[in-house]
Amino acid sequence: EVRLVESGGGSVQPGGSLRLSCATSGFTFSGYYINWVRQAPGKGLDWVGRSRNKANSYITDYAASVRGRFTISRDESKNSLYLQMNSLQTEDTAVYYCATEGSNSGPDFEYWGQGTLVTVSS
Amino acid sequence: QSVLTQPPSASGTPGQRVTISCSGSNSNIGSHFVYWYQQFPGAAPKLLIYKNDERPSGVPDRFSGSRSGTSASLAISGLRSEDEADYYCAALDDSLSGPVFGGGTKLTVL
Repeated sequence: EVRLVESGGGSVQPGGSLRLSCATSGFTFSGYYINWVRQAPGKGLDWVGRSRNKANSYITDYAASVRGRFTISRDESKNSLYLQMNSLQTEDTAVYYCATEGSNSGPDFEYWGQGTLVTVSS
Repeated sequence: QSVLTQPPSASGTPGQRVTISCSGSNSNIGSHFVYWYQQFPGAAPKLLIYKNDERPSGVPDRFSGSRSGTSASLAISGLRSEDEADYYCAALDDSLSGPVFGGGTKLTVL
């Protein structure tokens, strides 16, 4: 069974940092692109970024709104994906989901975690 | 303002057929596959349609997708109360170098 479990969310002040984790199981971790997608309270879905698979050197891609502030990384030994968020702004407040990308031909997000809430507020 | 445009709401009665539209441009829907997601309150989104009109295993054939030019549609036939949810379209966008989502459509079953 494929599982993705996010953790690390919480409350932080503007300008602060937070590191989210996405622990995975049930699939070949190195073989999949894995994405971060967020959803502000009462709002729609917003793509944050992704880590490509090992065959593509784990190259990372980011949305313009977070580029330079957020960093995605992986730990193969733990089958885990991370999202390091720096210089957080109030508009980064959202539930953050990690999701596997099935076909690499678009936002084919096949499996999702339950999400973790990040609140940026003074 | 979302890159892909969806109506904020849609409704229908049980048994009816409803469609939800998703309008984009040549840089997204016009040149890339469209995906649809279903989301219930407090839950993660679920992939409903991929590559314009394909259904993942387990998705009822009451759900169907189509794409024409720079627009796409999700159709739900034989509407059921359990279909009441938010629906999102998504596609890659060349201008933004990543996926974009529609603003979402809240479907109400009357």
